[in-house]
Amino acid sequence: DIQMTQSPSSLAASVGDRVSITCRASQSLYNSLNWYQQKPGRAPKLLIYAASTLNSGVPSRFSGVGSGTHFTLTISSLQPEDFATYYCQQSYDTPRRTFGQGTKVEI
Amino acid sequence: EVQLVESGGGSVQPGGSLRLSCAVSGITVTSNYFSWVRQAPGKGLEWVSIIYRSGSKYYADSVKGRFSISREDSDNTLHLHMNSLRAEDSAVYYCVRDQWYYLDRSGYYAFDHWGQGILVTVSS
Repeated sequence: DIQMTQSPSSLAASVGDRVSITCRASQSLYNSLNWYQQKPGRAPKLLIYAASTLNSGVPSRFSGVGSGTHFTLTISSLQPEDFATYYCQQSYDTPRRTFGQGTKVEI
Repeated sequence: EVQLVESGGGSVQPGGSLRLSCAVSGITVTSNYFSWVRQAPGKGLEWVSIIYRSGSKYYADSVKGRFSISREDSDNTLHLHMNSLRAEDSAVYYCVRDQWYYLDRSGYYAFDHWGQGILVTVSS
């Protein structure tokens, strides 16, 4: 099974900061990597698929880069509504859809 | 508008059974892939099971042999039958649509629509 490792597990940031979260896979995913945002008590929301394609309605301050085993989610200017937990997910090893352990972005 | 609404959660004793349902609207269960994803209290996301358009079914190793995914085409509903439940199965269970995207001559999957989640508690 493909293992997904996110770093850091949590981070503290301020409104307006540039924030980056890393996701590493135990084997190459090519571009089959998704990012989700989850707020407390809510279902996750798809932000980015295929490593770098923004889902419809997602603000352009979110961006994703990477391929193979190393991927990064960046928020260019953190907004109050962006404080949440972010998960990466591989979709290369179908049908399994393994998630990273999550990164909590706190104030 | 696509909507996924889970039901059937609750408390059950270890070794017991429960059936979760997911009422789907806005799309048809026969034309899409659907998964169940769970999240234990304070923990991360875990993929549980998937059913393809073809009806093929797959499971995470942690639930294989105990859980069964199915769909009712006439009701446009998905189900997750959970048997031999354990304390570690306690979680919020989400029904999700697994969407296929075609980009640059390649296909990609992602969970684009999620239900609100339903809580399952396994405890004596």
